[in-house]
Amino acid sequence: QVRLQESGPRLVKPSDTLSLNCDVSGYVVSSQNWWGWVRQPPGKGLEWIGYIYYTGATHVNPSLQSRLTMSIDPSKNQFSLKLRSVTAFDTAVYYCAQSRGDSGGYYYLDFWGQGSLVVVSS
Amino acid sequence: DIVMTQSPESLAVSLGEKATINCKSSQSLLHPSKNKNYLAWYQQNPGQPPKLIIKWASTRESGVPGRFSGSGSGTDFTLTISSLQAEDVAVYYCHQYYSTPTFGGGTKVEIK
Repeated sequence: QVRLQESGPRLVKPSDTLSLNCDVSGYVVSSQNWWGWVRQPPGKGLEWIGYIYYTGATHVNPSLQSRLTMSIDPSKNQFSLKLRSVTAFDTAVYYCAQSRGDSGGYYYLDFWGQGSLVVVSS
Repeated sequence: DIVMTQSPESLAVSLGEKATINCKSSQSLLHPSKNKNYLAWYQQNPGQPPKLIIKWASTRESGVPGRFSGSGSGTDFTLTISSLQAEDVAVYYCHQYYSTPTFGGGTKVEIK
């Protein structure tokens, strides 16, 4: 069974870049599959961030597109996100997840990491 | 963006009774040629990641108890817990993945 684990700095200063990795085990990221990111501000609901395909193709939330970069590294069996110019509004638990669906739309998220709380504060 | 509106925001149900959560989308989630609704339901316990329980509006995920069922099509969807158990206390979210993905605001289910 696939397992995912987020890793990265837990505290980021305003205007800096938030960087997170998602380490995958039990599945090869370079298999034909999409991988996703979702975030959840403390006490609030879920917000989709984006998906990345094993080829490096991405779908990104338009509200984050100007600040977001996603990548995938098959040699490390991981995928990553970088969110630039962060503010307090980017404080959230960030989840990575395996994503599945078909060509008719986007993807549901069937296996999730435990999440990583990232706080933006000086 | 497709707006997902869940109701109620919170729900208190007696053990063994039925819980019903509604989710309404601002646009149809039914793909005309694939004849599938691009809607999922997740269960989230405190301090835990969401857990997928229903995909394609009505397909129960493997290992999910049979008391959970999803129904609906187009713009109106329902998650039903036929006989509430203590372990079902959680927040439930609907999620459309037909176009730029969005989530409902969540419904908190508690024991009455």
